[in-house]
Amino acid sequence: EAQVTQNPRYLITVTGKKLTVTCSQNMNHEYMSWYRQDPGLGLRQIYYSMNVEVTDKGDVPEGYKVSRKEKRNFPLILESPSPNQTSLYFCASSLSRNQPQHFGDGTRLSIL
Amino acid sequence: AQSVTQLDSQVPVFEEAPVELRCNYSSSVSVYLFWYVQYPNQGLQLLLKYLSGSTLVESINGFEAEFNKSQTSFHLRKPSVHISDTAEYFCAVSAFSGGYNKLIFGAGTRLAVHP
Repeated sequence: EAQVTQNPRYLITVTGKKLTVTCSQNMNHEYMSWYRQDPGLGLRQIYYSMNVEVTDKGDVPEGYKVSRKEKRNFPLILESPSPNQTSLYFCASSLSRNQPQHFGDGTRLSIL
Repeated sequence: AQSVTQLDSQVPVFEEAPVELRCNYSSSVSVYLFWYVQYPNQGLQLLLKYLSGSTLVESINGFEAEFNKSQTSFHLRKPSVHISDTAEYFCAVSAFSGGYNKLIFGAGTRLAVHP
């Protein structure tokens, strides 16, 4: 089954404790992206990757890091999380940037 | 800069009534247009898309949207809604800018279908 898998689905943690949210897709897609969803703001892009070892900032990259060492994986790293990063996060992938994206089920992060 | 405006944050409607969810965008270049649906505790799923060709596009579950270039709109419609259509709907625009395509989402419209 074609899918985008995110882990964990839920996480409560404290300010400053480094965390990683994993994302994996099994569709051999080149393009992957991370979004955060906040009430009234829709989805805002954090980072995206056009292919292996090619990443770039989206609209709200501050406080986040990403890497793309393999085509299927695109982890999101919060080196020093802060409460304003409490949000619902989605990973997505597509064949190319202007093709419809496939979304994971989301990761709800709460930073206390 | 491109932007997407979903004119209604919430739309309550009775079952079997028609519904229209409005979406306007601003862009000076050619665009691709999408509607995504998000059911509770799930990720976004593609509902329908306009890439080129016929300006009226349809989904498999009875929704349709019409690309209106002169009004820069891509409103979503369904003639008769079901309880199961209760979800949040996002309009998205992909526009070529600065050498690449950028996908921008609207803030979402929460559709609540009541019996």
